[in-house]
Amino acid sequence: EAQVTQNPRYLITVTGKKLTVTCSQNMNHEYMSWYRQDPGLGLRQIYYSMNVEVTDKGDVPEGYKVSRKEKRNFPLILESPSPNQTSLYFCASRPHGETYEQYFGPGTRLTVT
Amino acid sequence: RKEVEQDPGPFNVPEGATVAFNCTYSNSASQSFFWYRQDCRKEPKLLMSVYSSGNEDGRFTAQLNRASQYISLLIRDSKLSDSATYLCVVNTPNQGGKLIFGQGTELSVKP
Repeated sequence: EAQVTQNPRYLITVTGKKLTVTCSQNMNHEYMSWYRQDPGLGLRQIYYSMNVEVTDKGDVPEGYKVSRKEKRNFPLILESPSPNQTSLYFCASRPHGETYEQYFGPGTRLTVT
Repeated sequence: RKEVEQDPGPFNVPEGATVAFNCTYSNSASQSFFWYRQDCRKEPKLLMSVYSSGNEDGRFTAQLNRASQYISLLIRDSKLSDSATYLCVVNTPNQGGKLIFGQGTELSVKP
């Protein structure tokens, strides 16, 4: 089944404790993104990657890191999480080309206390 | 001004009603337009792409007005299962064709 998977789905952590949210897709898509979704602010792009070893900042990259060592994986790293990073996070992927459907993972609900 | 603007709603309608959602976008260079549906706190899923000539998929009709930079979605004969948030999505011609999401319009269809 074609899909984007994320882990963990739910995470409660404390300020400053490094964490990684994994994202994997099995559709051989070149383009992958991370978004956060907050009430009243909609989906905002954190980072994106157009292919292996090619990553770039989105609209709200502060406090986050990513890597793209393999085509299928695009982990999101929070080196020192803070409460303002409490949010719902979505990973997404699509083929190159602007007309293609973007597929989203199921989401990771992160709470930082 | 937000790059993609939608009326957040909520729209509360009875079953069988026709409901229309509107969306405006600010970048005249945008080329691709979509409507996504998002059920409560789940992942967004593509509902339909929006083509210049307008397009229909069953009870759903999407329209694009490039001159006014305006997109619409019409839902006819609303079902309870149509209750969701509808996201207007527009691409940007740079950053690899980044998608810009509107905040979404919440629809609640009541019996």
